[in-house]
Amino acid sequence: DQQVKQNSPSLSVQEGRISILNCDYTNSMFDYFLWYKKYPAEGPTFLISISSIKDKNEDGRFTVFLNKSAKHLSLHIVPSQPGDSAVYFCAASPNSKLTFGKGITLSVRP
Amino acid sequence: EAGVTQFPSHSVIEKGQTVTLRCDPISGHDNLYWYRRVMGKEIKFLLHFVKESKQDESGMPNNRFLAERTGGTYSTLKVQPAELEDSGVYFCASSQSPAGGPYTYNEQFFGPGTRLTVL
Repeated sequence: DQQVKQNSPSLSVQEGRISILNCDYTNSMFDYFLWYKKYPAEGPTFLISISSIKDKNEDGRFTVFLNKSAKHLSLHIVPSQPGDSAVYFCAASPNSKLTFGKGITLSVRP
Repeated sequence: EAGVTQFPSHSVIEKGQTVTLRCDPISGHDNLYWYRRVMGKEIKFLLHFVKESKQDESGMPNNRFLAERTGGTYSTLKVQPAELEDSGVYFCASSQSPAGGPYTYNEQFFGPGTRLTVL
């Protein structure tokens, strides 16, 4: 039973355009949400997060939106750069234990 | 500052053998986590240490898996005997205290992982 779902396995966008990565969750106990980025042969690295008491958090080119009523969050990358090409994992937490989605592979075309 | 390190980076063993994975967390991090990613699937939580104590081991698949963190520093994860379905990438992560609370979270820093292949 997957509690965090990333339904699209891959996304391809043109450099300079917006990338929108989506994530859905089912567990109402989740109170903190995160996005991790992973390159091949490396561990996931933290990208951006949001508490469930907020609906938006912005950090440079990265913005995460949270819609609690829909149990949905999204990561916007603007503008997308070729170096953003990686696997992006959505994760959720109550009290530090992380539950991950399957990940989405983002390819940014030059 | 050194990050989380894991050893070995790769391990290939035969079914029935024993393998021990090691994780060295970032110095001063009381929280240490083990996760596993089976090919093409999500990264799954295995267990969480606070110093040398197991805080949460609800993700451990079965009693063939044994995790230890003697002295509250490095941790080992032993699989004995290994089965085919144990193949995957095992990640270790560490974080400062407190690990998290309501609407809060301390970033978990991940190691590069150990790729385990059981033949």
